[in-house]
Amino acid sequence: NAGVTQTPKFQVLKTGQSMTLQCAQDMNHEYMSWYRQDPGMGLRLIHYSVGAGITDQGEVPNGYNVSRSTTEDFPLRLLSAAPSQTSVYFCASSTDREAYGYTFGSGTRLTVV
Amino acid sequence: DQQVKQNSPSLSVQEGRISILNCDYTNSMFDYFLWYKKYPAEGPTFLISISSIKDKNEDGRFTVFLNKSAKHLSLHIVPSQPGDSAVYFCAARGTNFGNEKLTFGTGTRLTIIP
Repeated sequence: NAGVTQTPKFQVLKTGQSMTLQCAQDMNHEYMSWYRQDPGMGLRLIHYSVGAGITDQGEVPNGYNVSRSTTEDFPLRLLSAAPSQTSVYFCASSTDREAYGYTFGSGTRLTVV
Repeated sequence: DQQVKQNSPSLSVQEGRISILNCDYTNSMFDYFLWYKKYPAEGPTFLISISSIKDKNEDGRFTVFLNKSAKHLSLHIVPSQPGDSAVYFCAARGTNFGNEKLTFGTGTRLTIIP
């Protein structure tokens, strides 16, 4: 059971480049989310989804796009990378059994130069 | 507008003693409160949760207390062990549409001193 898989683990981008961070889960979870972690800021929600075809914005959505065409996959697209997007990105998934919270991937460390 | 707050960025505790991590929230629509533990270079892992209809939940060395009137929760770790050294995040979520996303605090770095 792989859980939540994120790729790549590390990435360096030049300002203005675009890329997609991949996230896949094999637990048939309805809810999926993307967070970024920055020093002193905790984990901030970028986008989330409550099921295939349904997405919504979180706290810091600017500069990012998402889509949810299948239950398993929830890619995060950076449209035009900026140094302010240098961060560690975490994907997470959950069922509607609230007490168990979300299962997180191991993260993608992104540096924009 | 930070809905979940952890006002102590760091905490050091002697091995074997009690660690108490605190968390405050502002959104009365939250129904579940969770604690996550995070080691460097890893994703957060779920530790323990509590429903808003309870005031205490225990799991081994970990106990979470909820004071709804004060909008405050705390995590107690007894006895503290060196492996408990990590960053602890408090989080909250609701159950109705629009509130099911998980909102995190800024974290508290716990260091257990041998």
